[in-house]
Amino acid sequence: SAVISQKPSRDICQRGTSLTIQCQVDSQVTMMFWYRQQPGQSLTLIATANQGSEATYESGFVIDKFPISRPNLTFSTLTVSNMSPEDSSIYLCSVKQGATEAFFGQGTRLTVV
Amino acid sequence: EDKVVQSPLSLVVHEGDTVTLNCSYEVTNFRSLLWYKQEKKAPTFLFMLTSSGIEKKSGRLSSILDKKELSSILNITATQTGDSAIYLCAVDRAGGTSYGKLTFGQGTILTVHP
Repeated sequence: SAVISQKPSRDICQRGTSLTIQCQVDSQVTMMFWYRQQPGQSLTLIATANQGSEATYESGFVIDKFPISRPNLTFSTLTVSNMSPEDSSIYLCSVKQGATEAFFGQGTRLTVV
Repeated sequence: EDKVVQSPLSLVVHEGDTVTLNCSYEVTNFRSLLWYKQEKKAPTFLFMLTSSGIEKKSGRLSSILDKKELSSILNITATQTGDSAIYLCAVDRAGGTSYGKLTFGQGTILTVHP
């Protein structure tokens, strides 16, 4: 199983600012994903982080709001841009190798005030 | 549109009780169904089910998949307060642009009272 380090663990941010969340994996993985969990809701996929190319976003999520980088097979960042209180959520990175289960980072609890 | 539905949405029991959580799905190119336990932020993996009728067991937890009925159940026997958590069901699809992406149900909030 992969060990995933995600940081920050939590943050409180002012509206209009941006926050970058980092995800580091202890081994090379093919697939990395970013999920959002709004208060009282389940997990929703934001995008697939592609190594060496632009991320693939799900319906309702755009690159200008959630830019993603993936410079190599062990690291990715998600930025939440121009934040509003509606962006207050838990953000989770996830990795998957083929037909195995998905593993999750510890999550980032973001509060926008 | 792919859909994963869990029931009940919440459940309150006392220690020692047995609970059954349900998950039904409608997805294209089904590959596997996964159960996770979420206590704080990060979901932790419980089971992955790919074949119908084969029970997976880990201690007091067990799960089984019914591909004919497009559903799965998660059983917890002799519940303990440490079982209090959100239980998430997710479906993984095979191939194409959906490869590796999980679709989650709403979750079941389980509360176990001493």
